[in-house]
Amino acid sequence: NAGVTQTPKFQVLKTGQSMTLQCAQDMNHNSMYWYRQDPGMGLRLIYYSASEGTTDKGEVPNGYNVSRLNKREFSLRLESAAPSQTSVYFCASSEAGTYYGYTFGSGTRLTVV
Amino acid sequence: RKEVEQDPGPFNVPEGATVAFNCTYSNSASQSFFWYRQDCRKEPKLLMSVYSSGNEDGRFTAQLNRASQYISLLIRDSKLSDSATYLCVVNTGNNNDMRFGAGTRLTVKP
Repeated sequence: NAGVTQTPKFQVLKTGQSMTLQCAQDMNHNSMYWYRQDPGMGLRLIYYSASEGTTDKGEVPNGYNVSRLNKREFSLRLESAAPSQTSVYFCASSEAGTYYGYTFGSGTRLTVV
Repeated sequence: RKEVEQDPGPFNVPEGATVAFNCTYSNSASQSFFWYRQDCRKEPKLLMSVYSSGNEDGRFTAQLNRASQYISLLIRDSKLSDSATYLCVVNTGNNNDMRFGAGTRLTVKP
């Protein structure tokens, strides 16, 4: 089925470990995004990629890095995980920025202990 | 002040009821407005865009008031399947930055 695929769905890390969250979309969308969702708060933008070859910081980029590998794939890396990064992470894509709405992946539930 | 604010609810309504949610936003430069629906432990899904003239999709009506900087969502004839959290989403004026409200939880009961 067409859409946004995220892996893994669940992950437990120890403080200081690193990991990469993978995201791929097959809708030929130009823009891709990484959000985190914490209880009682709206989704917050970590990084985005307006088009292949570009990435930019969002509202909460500290502690994260991203790579837009090609038009389909946009990965999020935690270099040294901290308990404050315990969250649900969503990848999203859109045809062109914010005018068309986003399609989200099913999320990654990350716990850092 | 949060950029996008919603009443967190919960709203508990019987089947068949009409329920309305409001959302206020702080950035007057915002150009795009949306309502998303999020089921428990699932991803948000686009419910509808919100246009200046107001728009309707079946039982759902969305309205925008730019002067007062709020948007609304009206659900008529509520169904059990409407139970979810409804997210108000507004762009910041930057074409790649959307701000999400924390959501309003709706439970429709038999």
